Amino acid sequence: EIVMTQTPLSLSVTPGQSASISCKSSESLLHSDGKTYLYWYLQKPGQSPQLLIYEVSKRFSGVPDRFSGSGSGTDFTLKISRVEAEDVGVYYCMQSIQLPYSFGQGTKLEIK
Amino acid sequence: QVQLQESGPGLVKPSQTLSLTCTVSGASIRTGGYFWSWIRQHPGKGLEWIGYIYYSGNTYYKPSLKSRVTISVDTSNNQFSLKLSSVTAADTAVYYCARGSVLEWFGELLPWGQGTLVTVSS
Repeated sequence: EIVMTQTPLSLSVTPGQSASISCKSSESLLHSDGKTYLYWYLQKPGQSPQLLIYEVSKRFSGVPDRFSGSGSGTDFTLKISRVEAEDVGVYYCMQSIQLPYSFGQGTKLEIK
Repeated sequence: QVQLQESGPGLVKPSQTLSLTCTVSGASIRTGGYFWSWIRQHPGKGLEWIGYIYYSGNTYYKPSLKSRVTISVDTSNNQFSLKLSSVTAADTAVYYCARGSVLEWFGELLPWGQGTLVTVSS
């Protein structure tokens, strides 16, 4: 099973500032089809996870452009520029290149 | 708009079998290019993928749970189900169902149901 490791596990950010979350996988997430199967989800309090980013850097429909994903191979980053109060919750990275799917431990974002 | 809704008992006794159903609306479970998945989240913890089923009945289970898990599909009622046998307190979790895409390869889990809390206790 691919192990996904996120850092930090918690973040406290002033509104308007930026935040960055790292996700490292124990194996490369680059498939022979040329795609990299790395996703970012946000789980807001009391809700189910919602998709933010797919295939490393593609924003899902309706996701503000304040959210951006980058990385390759085994190292990935989610950046949130100009953090807003509505961004609070737990962020998870997820891989699907190898079954079983696996998730990072989650990064809790709080607003100062 | 595709929606998924979990249902089932919220309380299960130790050693018994946990049974949940996910009802899909807004799309046919027979639609190609998608699989139907279960994920759980222990209280205050992260996400654990349990397994999936394709409409044809093909399944995959997380190896560590494989001996206790059965996922089945009922295409006539547009539902799929999870059974987890011999449960213990460690199986207490919020259980989510989700649709997964499988085009060129396995893809995103989207959408998710709202989740249902199952507590294992006598």
